[in-house]
Amino acid sequence: DAKTTQPPSMDCAEGRAANLPCNHSTISGNEYVYWYRQIHSQGPQYIIHGLKNNETNEMASLIITEDRKSSTLILPHATLRDTAVYYCIVRGMEYGNKLVFGAGTILRVKS
Amino acid sequence: NAGVMQNPRHLVRRRGQEARLRCSPVKGHSHVYWYRQLPEEGLKFMVYLQKENIIDESGMPKERFSAEFPKEGPSILRIQQVVRGDSAAYFCASSPPTVPDTQYFGPGTRLTVL
Repeated sequence: DAKTTQPPSMDCAEGRAANLPCNHSTISGNEYVYWYRQIHSQGPQYIIHGLKNNETNEMASLIITEDRKSSTLILPHATLRDTAVYYCIVRGMEYGNKLVFGAGTILRVKS
Repeated sequence: NAGVMQNPRHLVRRRGQEARLRCSPVKGHSHVYWYRQLPEEGLKFMVYLQKENIIDESGMPKERFSAEFPKEGPSILRIQQVVRGDSAAYFCASSPPTVPDTQYFGPGTRLTVL
């Protein structure tokens, strides 16, 4: 699976959009971009995934560049409860592939 | 719909005892994964199972650790003769038999070895 690079930490004001970047320059054509988050002491929570098109669900939007070498997770209106570690993971599409978690980005939402 | 259930949520064992961690996947999910998170460290894959089969155990320590996912009942992660270094949070995830199979995590079992 391709490696990802994320900033170690980011701050965001409550109510504003949080934009979390991820670089995955070695991604291959059959690999998806997944985002998970882990709120302190809880299990990782699935947020969103995409292959090459932008995706949106009730939690977030995922913007993937045309060359697929990077992506951005957008939380449109961050709240204090969005404070967590956010993981960007690249994963092959065959089922059964494990998730390889890096250090992620610590997002601190501040009032 | 119930999510992934894990029990117990907290488990305390003395060195040398056995620890049994249970995971009930989301209804309809046939794949189970176990991950471990040591204190102040990241999540690491341990094992991937389908019903009655271990598919990938590349992340499991070679000794004392075993996992099963029987035809009926929950998946079990078993740690024999626990040591202090086994103290960690153990997370189970399940996924449906689709492509790609998104994994959904349980709340974890926090094991403390005294």
